[in-house]
Amino acid sequence: DAGVIQSPRHEVTEMGQEVTLRCKPISGHNSLFWYRQTMMRGLELLIYFNNNVPIDDSGMPEDRFSAKMPNASFSTLKIQPSEPRDSAVYFCASTRGRGELFFGEGSRLTVL
Amino acid sequence: GNSVTQMEGPVTLSEEAFLTINCTYTATGYPSLFWYVQYPGEGLQLLLKATKADDKGSNKGFEATYRKETTSFHLEKGSVQVSDSAVYFCALSEGGGSNYKLTFGKGTLLTVNP
Repeated sequence: DAGVIQSPRHEVTEMGQEVTLRCKPISGHNSLFWYRQTMMRGLELLIYFNNNVPIDDSGMPEDRFSAKMPNASFSTLKIQPSEPRDSAVYFCASTRGRGELFFGEGSRLTVL
Repeated sequence: GNSVTQMEGPVTLSEEAFLTINCTYTATGYPSLFWYVQYPGEGLQLLLKATKADDKGSNKGFEATYRKETTSFHLEKGSVQVSDSAVYFCALSEGGGSNYKLTFGKGTLLTVNP
């Protein structure tokens, strides 16, 4: 079975540009999570969806960040405009049961 | 709110040494507890879990026991290998039904030398 698929794996952009990260969860999983990982702050939950509905977006840093899940097999995380402090690895994870999250390999974002 | 505190790394051991990574938690209810592992360049993957007090989770030679009285879930392995070099995350989950989220510790980097 395919795991959680994220794209792009690496993105380098300039400050002010729009960034869109994409995630395809594992088929049959009904919950999807976006995390951000940095050395300074560790792993932070940004937002999670259940059955395509956003349940908790309290971790979204500010209005520059937005996330959508138009259907059960696709989600996006958008940053507009991007800033250097957004540089991080962004992980998508999905699950259909309590406790075991399946993570993608991450999207490493560098904002210059 | 919920929180997880792990011992700060990095931890460096020789092959076949004994490993302990401490983890304590704060939660309002009765959480489930987890250890996740992240190998270089990869996402996190579940290593083991325990869902109630006194449960012991185990996998790949790693063990952790859910201790409610000390609010702890320390990770142990009797003899580490070079291939165990990774970042280890303690986490807890609270929530009902199909809605839940994990709260992670900051992670502990383990390096095992041959």
